[in-house]
Amino acid sequence: KNQVEQSPQSLIILEGKNCTLQCNYTVSPFSNLRWYKQDTGRGPVSLTIMTFSENTKSNGRYTATLDADTKQSSLHITASQLSDSASYICVVSAGGSYIPTFGRGTSLIVHP
Amino acid sequence: DVKVTQSSRYLVKRTGEKVFLECVQDMDHENMFWYRQDPGLGLRLIYFSYDVKMKEKGDIPEGYSVSREKKERFSLILESASTNQTSMYLCASSSPGENTGELFFGEGSRLTVL
Repeated sequence: KNQVEQSPQSLIILEGKNCTLQCNYTVSPFSNLRWYKQDTGRGPVSLTIMTFSENTKSNGRYTATLDADTKQSSLHITASQLSDSASYICVVSAGGSYIPTFGRGTSLIVHP
Repeated sequence: DVKVTQSSRYLVKRTGEKVFLECVQDMDHENMFWYRQDPGLGLRLIYFSYDVKMKEKGDIPEGYSVSREKKERFSLILESASTNQTSMYLCASSSPGENTGELFFGEGSRLTVL
């Protein structure tokens, strides 16, 4: 069964600090991995997509990495801002399937 | 700008009432989805549709039904609402082959069943 596990479940950091969120998956055959950001009370929005051949991709202060061999991804947030407070969801798609597999998310709180 | 619109942001219903949640997308996407989201459980798939009048059960279809009469519209129906259906409901759409299957979500409908 395809699964996506995220850690930590929640994280509290001070404004300006960096943090890293983790995602492990067992999805086969792997097609792509996305990180979504979900602000409180809103729908998730895609931050970045990683395909099999990509190791690192940046979107502003967000940098995603992918290790397809160990089936792990991370999302690194640099110089955090209050607006980074949100839930971050790792979503993995399998080749030939319309239905992606969702992780349960990491809830990030950035304190001033 | 791509858009998925859910008809109601907040609803309060009584046990046993019939509830309709409407979702409309303007991107001409073939695929549409209904998820529910609960604290600690993440998003769970209720139903999805890959074409007009086509529907497939997701992981938790019990107590729900759906309707897709037009490509742009996907409705979720709770025939007889129960308190355990209090949740945030999220609609999403995607297009096979475009954007490698990126899901575009609506703003969500928070349903409370009393």
